[in-house]
Amino acid sequence: EPEVTQTPSHQVTQMGQEVILRCVPISNHLYFYWYRQILGQKVEFLVSFYNNEISEKSEIFDDQFSVERPDGSNFTLKIRSTKLEDSAMYFCASSSRPGQGDTQYFGPGTRLTVL
Amino acid sequence: GEDVEQSLFLSVREGDSSVINCTYTDSSSTYLYWYKQEPGAGLQLLTYIFSNMDMKQDQRLTVLLNKKDKHLSLRIADTQTGDSAIYFCADSTLTFGKGTMLLVSP
Repeated sequence: EPEVTQTPSHQVTQMGQEVILRCVPISNHLYFYWYRQILGQKVEFLVSFYNNEISEKSEIFDDQFSVERPDGSNFTLKIRSTKLEDSAMYFCASSSRPGQGDTQYFGPGTRLTVL
Repeated sequence: GEDVEQSLFLSVREGDSSVINCTYTDSSSTYLYWYKQEPGAGLQLLTYIFSNMDMKQDQRLTVLLNKKDKHLSLRIADTQTGDSAIYFCADSTLTFGKGTMLLVSP
């Protein structure tokens, strides 16, 4: 069964450093998403991406964040200058159709720890 | 903004039924979802219900929707130890609740 994969599974970084979280969505999907889950808190929507541009973003997704689809398979989330409060689990998701959760497939997540 | 709330913890014995409850505020939600998260894993869509339905059954899972009260529940029949996980409720905009940790003891 096709699945979304994410690397690394755990990333530790120093405050102020840049990190890139990588995702490989399901190959025939066209819509891509990033979510984050701070420990003990809710899963929060960050951004959705379609046709090589951001289609929607939350207020969390400020200028420190960017997304990119550098090639035909990867979808990345970059945090330019990490802060302690960026420590969270980051989930990538992809879907073949927009706005319907029944087609959003989630990856296993990357745990980001900012020291 | 819209909000989704759920109880944080539920403990049951194997073989019992589990009922996880959720309330939401977005009255325009057309779909409501239940996701399961096992330790170290991503979010797995378990089931969903369309807002014009009040019940949906899928094998051991039963979803009940009270649209008037904006209340959603997930019932798991004959709960197994493998059902131990965190269960998230989400509305159409994928605003998630904090998750309910279900612990199933033998």
